[in-house]
Amino acid sequence: GAGVSQSPRYKVTKRGQDVALRCDPISGHVSLYWYRQALGQGPEFLTYFNYEAQQDKSGLPNDRFSAERPEGSISTLTIQRTEQRDSAMYRCASSLGTGINQPQHFGDGTRLSIL
Amino acid sequence: ELKVEQNPLFLSMQEGKNYTIYCNYSTTSDRLYWYRQDPGKSLESLFVLLSNGAVKQEGRLMASLDTKARLSTLHITAAVHDLSATYFCAVVIEDFGNEKLTFGTGTRLTIIP
Repeated sequence: GAGVSQSPRYKVTKRGQDVALRCDPISGHVSLYWYRQALGQGPEFLTYFNYEAQQDKSGLPNDRFSAERPEGSISTLTIQRTEQRDSAMYRCASSLGTGINQPQHFGDGTRLSIL
Repeated sequence: ELKVEQNPLFLSMQEGKNYTIYCNYSTTSDRLYWYRQDPGKSLESLFVLLSNGAVKQEGRLMASLDTKARLSTLHITAAVHDLSATYFCAVVIEDFGNEKLTFGTGTRLTIIP
């Protein structure tokens, strides 16, 4: 597709379950970013990849959060043992690369609700 | 820790009026982006500002960057209803070739007919 694709669009799960959120970036985009956006606030950086290498994971809240991009394309953000405070919109973005001065293009997000 | 603050947080303005949204940030950066977000939608890139003194214009919106003052502005001219949305600035921080965005708090703009 032409844009960043995320799935599922909505995920409702019980506390304690693991969830996996998927991001398919724009074709040819080297850099891929994960953000979390609370209602009424701006996106908050979680982690990012150049190709398959995770360059920065300083924004991941704790060790229950992890991300991978094994083939440098699709990425998965995994949250283990979910808690209610994990409920938020999770957004993925991609760009041609760092230092290229091109904006990040955002997907529609996955709305995660933990019961 | 980088802080990015926008003001105002909420803005209601009448059609046809002019107004400016301000974005202040707390550390050195020479790149800044502006995004628009409609309710329930994703973020749409509006402007990429790459250096001190950069000015970009698109329709009724004009963005500028003053890196010395650590300030960017988004000016709205003769507002129309279609401009109602939330606007975010995002500061680029580069570290050993890696870069990430820190977003501002957002300005929710409502244009009243």
